[in-house]
Amino acid sequence: DSGVTQTPKHLITATGQRVTLRCSPRSGDLSVYWYQQSLDQGLQFLIHYYNGEERAKGNILERFSAQQFPDLHSELNLSSLELGDSALYFCASSVDGGSGNQPQHFGDGTRLSIL
Amino acid sequence: GENVEQHPSTLSVQEGDSAVIKCTYSDSASNYFPWYKQELGKRPQLIIDIRSNVGEKKDQRIAVTLNKTAKHFSLHITETQPEDSAVYFCAATSPGNTGNQFYFGTGTSLTVIP
Repeated sequence: DSGVTQTPKHLITATGQRVTLRCSPRSGDLSVYWYQQSLDQGLQFLIHYYNGEERAKGNILERFSAQQFPDLHSELNLSSLELGDSALYFCASSVDGGSGNQPQHFGDGTRLSIL
Repeated sequence: GENVEQHPSTLSVQEGDSAVIKCTYSDSASNYFPWYKQELGKRPQLIIDIRSNVGEKKDQRIAVTLNKTAKHFSLHITETQPEDSAVYFCAATSPGNTGNQFYFGTGTSLTVIP
């Protein structure tokens, strides 16, 4: 158990819909990262939040957005869903905010299936 | 930004043999290099990491080496076992005001043949 909690574990929805994925970081971690992993693909970095502020953006589509709340949990919102959005979405957390030398701990992921 | 390349993409070894996975990076400011193991359908798990002030680190059957001059680092698994079969990802990161974004390699699928 990494201490990072993601809900829901599975999500099945249709094209055009909107979903929200939730992540609670490990106790004490201020950074939350979101990644997308499509079938047999690597980890694509989406976005990083530190203590409520957006710190870095990766290959995140405009249809996707995220935020980190005062209690440090984070939500990733995916809208106007397309078949290609079907993937595993991972959240990771870290104590690090910029020193660049601390590990990220991953949650179990949310498997999103678009029908 | 940083660019991490990982080789090979697939690797098959006999049980008991050693496995080596290599990664190169482009940003000389990168100072932290973790390795993750991901079993099918599961989360990536940190198995070992190394910081730029160290050249080698070992944890039982797993070791990582870092060559800062050549900008490459490698994962070594000795006495491989079937449970070592998984996808392994390397990553590099550097400090910055924007936070420590991890740049992941494309992964190596390791199969240990009993």
